[in-house]
Amino acid sequence: EAQVTQNPRYLITVTGKKLTVTCSQNMNHEYMSWYRQDPGLGLRQIYYSMNVEVTDKGDVPEGYKVSRKEKRNFPLILESPSPNQTSLYFCASGGGALETQYFGPGTRLLVL
Amino acid sequence: AQKVTQAQTEISVVEKEDVTLDCVYETRDTTYYLFWYKQPPSGELVFLIRRNSFDEQNEISGRYSWNFQKSTSSFNFTITASQVVDSAVYFCALSEATNFGNEKLTFGTGTRLTIIP
Repeated sequence: EAQVTQNPRYLITVTGKKLTVTCSQNMNHEYMSWYRQDPGLGLRQIYYSMNVEVTDKGDVPEGYKVSRKEKRNFPLILESPSPNQTSLYFCASGGGALETQYFGPGTRLLVL
Repeated sequence: AQKVTQAQTEISVVEKEDVTLDCVYETRDTTYYLFWYKQPPSGELVFLIRRNSFDEQNEISGRYSWNFQKSTSSFNFTITASQVVDSAVYFCALSEATNFGNEKLTFGTGTRLTIIP
């Protein structure tokens, strides 16, 4: 089954404690992206990757890092989380050339 | 810069009524794609439709239909004979072709649709 998986689905942490949210896709997509969803703001892009070892900032990259060492994986790293990073995070992957992007199930993060 | 506006924050209708969700977009590109996604209470994002800027034909899929009008920069979504399972937040999104390889989706703020039994 074609899918995008994210882990963990729910996470409560404290300010400053490094965390990683994993994302994996089994569709051999080159393009992957991270979004955060906040009430009244819709979804906003954090980082994206056009292929292995090719990543770039989206609209709201501050406080986040990513890596793309393998085609299927695109982890999101919060080196020192802060309460304003409390949000719902989605990973997405697409087949390129503006094909449909498919989203993971989301990760709800609460930073205390 | 691209922008998507969903002016209806919340809509409530009684079951079996028809409902239209509005989406207005802004872009300078002549080639772009429009999308609708559904987010049910469980939280995942479910892809509904993708439409490119050169195809203005309306689309119908069961009880769902979409009306794309370039003249008014709108891509509205209609649910006919609504059902309780249609209750969700619906997002309209835009992706531009000339974004240097970044297939970023610009989302509207969403419309929360509640179907009253």
